[in-house]
Amino acid sequence: EAGVAQSPRYKIIEKRQSVAFWCNPISGHATLYWYQQILGQGPKLLIQFQNNGVVDDSQLPKDRFSAERLKGVDSTLKIQPAKLEDSAVYLCASSLDPSGTQYFGPGTRLTVT
Amino acid sequence: RKEVEQDPGPFNVPEGATVAFNCTYSNSASQSFFWYRQDCRKEPKLLMSVYSSGNEDGRFTAQLNRASQYISLLIRDSKLSDSATYLCVVNLNRDDKIIFGKGTRLHILP
Repeated sequence: EAGVAQSPRYKIIEKRQSVAFWCNPISGHATLYWYQQILGQGPKLLIQFQNNGVVDDSQLPKDRFSAERLKGVDSTLKIQPAKLEDSAVYLCASSLDPSGTQYFGPGTRLTVT
Repeated sequence: RKEVEQDPGPFNVPEGATVAFNCTYSNSASQSFFWYRQDCRKEPKLLMSVYSSGNEDGRFTAQLNRASQYISLLIRDSKLSDSATYLCVVNLNRDDKIIFGKGTRLHILP
């Protein structure tokens, strides 16, 4: 069974530039999560989708971050404009349902210079 | 009090020893609990779910103490390959909110 796919794996941008990340969850998984993990810390939930609807985006900095899952499958996370403190690993995870085991993708390591 | 708290460590433990660490949670309505393992520069992976009755998987034992609001992870006969960060995860099923702890770093020493 294919796992959660993410791209790109690495991205280096300058501050104030824009960046987008893509995630393809495990087939059939209705719940999709985006996390931000800063070095030395645990993952912080940015947004949680149930199919194509948003369940929780309380920790998403909406002035610069946006995410969508238009058809309830793939998802994109965008940062515009990026700040130095956005340097982190962005992890996508999916689960069959909100109470189920989350399976993580390999993450996208973002460096903002 | 933070929603989910873990001792960041690191725990430096000789190979073969037993090590245990706890994770406390603040919301008594929390329903689901998990331990994830994260190796350096890798994604988190589920280690085990934590059930009310406690559960064991080989050298690993997880327990839940609802009265004191903490979960624990015990590793027996530790191996070098157990070196990793262990993340506690709490799910508030009421609103499907997921909270990760910051993780406990474990170093098994040869």
